[in-house]
Amino acid sequence: RKEVEQDPGPFNVPEGATVAFNCTYSNSASQSFFWYRQDCRKEPKLLMSVYSSGNEDGRFTAQLNRASQYISLLIRDSKLSDSATYLCAVGFSGNTPLVFGKGTRLSVIA
Amino acid sequence: NAGVTQTPKFQVLKTGQSMTLQCAQDMNHNSMYWYRQDPGMGLRLIYYSASEGTTDKGEVPNGYNVSRLNKREFSLRLESAAPSQTSVYFCASSEAPMGRELFFGEGSRLTVL
Repeated sequence: RKEVEQDPGPFNVPEGATVAFNCTYSNSASQSFFWYRQDCRKEPKLLMSVYSSGNEDGRFTAQLNRASQYISLLIRDSKLSDSATYLCAVGFSGNTPLVFGKGTRLSVIA
Repeated sequence: NAGVTQTPKFQVLKTGQSMTLQCAQDMNHNSMYWYRQDPGMGLRLIYYSASEGTTDKGEVPNGYNVSRLNKREFSLRLESAAPSQTSVYFCASSEAPMGRELFFGEGSRLTVL
């Protein structure tokens, strides 16, 4: 049973478009949630933490839906530089490592 | 700030050879991790160390050993490399308790012929 699942994509969107990704998790006791960005042949870098109340950072909005057990990432006004793979990560209860999804690939096209 | 530093960044081995990947962090983090990443497989946890003096197996530990040398350093050893271990290896660290955000090194690309 997959603990954290993401649609692998690719999502091909034009510049200026709004795109959203979801990430579902199986453990209802999950306590921490993150979105990472990974550029080709680079390490993952933290994009946003996801709080219960949701959070926004410029063109990026992350939300948590505990009832349906998923987190989402919304990117508005997509830029070419947003092209990357977006990984979600979920922390479960207890002192255990984060579990990562396999990532969703985004390509923003001119 | 160096953050998490991995060495070497690239390595080519022959089947059966051994090598150690080194990782050091300067953020005073308690927890450290080794992942491998293969196309279509995502990040898979090999081993982790919740705190200095402890290590635990992750999802794919076979063929690997680790040493938490001190709070800063966490090494990954391949005793007898196999082609299936060709991958990109990432070291990461986090504050305690685990479940907090991870900070990754730049990765080590290993090819086993």
